Amino acid sequence: KAGVTQTPRYLIKTRGQQVTLSCSPISGHRSVSWYQQTPGQGLQFLFEYFSETQRNKGNFPGRFSGRQFSNSRSEMNVSTLELGDSALYLCASSPDGDRVRTEAFFGQGTRLTVV
Amino acid sequence: GDSVTQMEGPVTLSEEAFLTINCTYTATGYPSLFWYVQYPGEGLQLLLKATKADDKGSNKGFEATYRKETTSFHLEKGSVQVSDSAVYFCALSDLLKRGSTLGRLYFGRGTQLTVWP
Repeated sequence: KAGVTQTPRYLIKTRGQQVTLSCSPISGHRSVSWYQQTPGQGLQFLFEYFSETQRNKGNFPGRFSGRQFSNSRSEMNVSTLELGDSALYLCASSPDGDRVRTEAFFGQGTRLTVV
Repeated sequence: GDSVTQMEGPVTLSEEAFLTINCTYTATGYPSLFWYVQYPGEGLQLLLKATKADDKGSNKGFEATYRKETTSFHLEKGSVQVSDSAVYFCALSDLLKRGSTLGRLYFGRGTQLTVWP
């Protein structure tokens, strides 16, 4: 079974630009969540989507947005990029079945550098 | 709110040494607890988990016991190897809390482990 796939692996963008990151969850998983990882703040939750609906949202500005498609693939978008948005963006999927006995599976991440 | 505190690193050990990484948590309900490992340039991999008090999670020689009385989930390994060098994250998911799901995990800051041969 293929794991969580994130594309692209690396991105370099200029301040003020926007960027779209993609995540394909494990087949059959309906929940997709996104995290930002930085040396200063650690791992911070961005948002979670389930069945094309945003189910949870972290404490990030409105420049960060996302969506989920009917095949459970998800994208996140960051507009008007700032230097502080440079980070590793991680996507995780979970089956959302018997929740107590399952876990979230992470992709390898997209390394975004804003210059 | 929910939170996880884990010991600051870095931790440097010789091969075959005993490892302990402390983790304590704050949660209003009865969380599930996890240890994730991150190798350089990679995402997070689940190392082990425990879903209720007194459960012991184990994998690849690593163990952690869910202690509700001390709100702790310390990671231990009896004999570390060079290949264990990585960053270790303690995390929780308070599934009985409104709005909580496996998709929303609360992470500690991570502990860098370096094992020398």
